[in-house]
Amino acid sequence: AQKVTQAQTEISVVEKEDVTLDCVYETRDTTYYLFWYKQPPSGELVFLIRRNSFDEQNEISGRYSWNFQKSTSSFNFTITASQVVDSAVYFCALSEATDSWGKLQFGAGTQVVVTP
Amino acid sequence: GAVVSQHPSRVICKSGTSVKIECRSLDFQATTMFWYRQFPKQSLMLMATSNEGSKATYEQGVEKDKFLINHASLTLSTLTVTSAHPEDSSFYICSALRGGTLGETQYFGPGTRLLVL
Repeated sequence: AQKVTQAQTEISVVEKEDVTLDCVYETRDTTYYLFWYKQPPSGELVFLIRRNSFDEQNEISGRYSWNFQKSTSSFNFTITASQVVDSAVYFCALSEATDSWGKLQFGAGTQVVVTP
Repeated sequence: GAVVSQHPSRVICKSGTSVKIECRSLDFQATTMFWYRQFPKQSLMLMATSNEGSKATYEQGVEKDKFLINHASLTLSTLTVTSAHPEDSSFYICSALRGGTLGETQYFGPGTRLLVL
């Protein structure tokens, strides 16, 4: 069963618009980690954030922000004032404590296309 | 930050041949490494967990006799695709878990694109 759901297949925006990527996860563990990765056309994964299940504080890093809500099992990602360089596939991933620690279960990914 | 390399970055081979892909942690020791596979326009799927000095643990549906994994040292894991066929063409990505302690972030390699003709 899919444990990480990224319902948005592709999002197209014009530069400077904000874009929010949804991520819904499913786990019975009380201890787990959530991640976001960016994959540009080159293919190399770029780590963006890791959040543990006990830390629900939202986080902001430059134009990036994350909203973690355990009540809805969601870990959404917002890019503010998007730029063309933000065009990539973004993956949300889950790592569970009861599984082999470190194994990542990825969502299907959301393709973000930012046009000038 | 921690660096993980993969070699080769691209490989083209004929059907029926074997291909070896190396994954190295350059500045840290990794007791655990992971191998993922990504088909075009799809997500990353974990193939196996590679543990130094022991047999790899394969995910359901991954043929262990076809995808041979050897983690002979704390900085090197290899994936050998034996008797490769066109359907094995994919993007193979490794990752290394630094120190193996709880919550350590995985460090991903740049990936290897395999094309089997």
